Amino acid sequence: AQSVTQPDIHITVSEGASLELRCNYSYGATPYLFWYVQSPGQGLQLLLKYFSGDTLVQGIKGFEAEFKRSQSSFNLRKPSVHWSDAAEYFCAVGAPSNDMRFGAGTRLTVKP
Amino acid sequence: DTGVSQDPRHKITKRGQNVTFRCDPISEHNRLYWYRQTLGQGPEFLTYFQNEAQLEKSRLLSDRFSAERPKGSFSTLEIQRTEQGDSAMYLCATPGRDGGAHNEQFFGPGTRLTVL
Repeated sequence: AQSVTQPDIHITVSEGASLELRCNYSYGATPYLFWYVQSPGQGLQLLLKYFSGDTLVQGIKGFEAEFKRSQSSFNLRKPSVHWSDAAEYFCAVGAPSNDMRFGAGTRLTVKP
Repeated sequence: DTGVSQDPRHKITKRGQNVTFRCDPISEHNRLYWYRQTLGQGPEFLTYFQNEAQLEKSRLLSDRFSAERPKGSFSTLEIQRTEQGDSAMYLCATPGRDGGAHNEQFFGPGTRLTVL
């Protein structure tokens, strides 16, 4: 069965600093991988997705993620964090026709 | 805007009461998913529909929970005899433009249930 681990519960970065959020997955075949962001009181918004092909995928709001099969990872990155990026970030793995499995999330705090 | 609306946005109820939530996708998608999200956790899958048919249920979905999608468009999730442990955000999701070929899902704003 597929599963996702987000090792960091909470990360704090300074505004303008770079960001990397970790995600490790477990899945038997080539996974479909996603990153979602959830701001307080808001719904989940899809940031980016990986299905196949180029292992470096670009998303909205300047985010990117890299799929590394050898490490079973799909880490989310942003070169320069903005205060508005403060939110909860969820990594998820899906399979055709099946449900999506989410990690427990990483809460991002941005210091001025 | 994902095109998925949920009603109500907030529901406060007393233990033992029944509650019903509704999910309305703007566009008709053949698939519709329900998730539950408790505080500090990621969403957990509850059930999904392919048109009117409920194809999969999680073990989280006890016999107090029932979901329907009578016409293959909107869906309802009912919880009978609510318990305090049912307090959570209930999320509805539908596939993306590709119809879910890659299981991409777009979420509604959720219904936050508080059971007193």
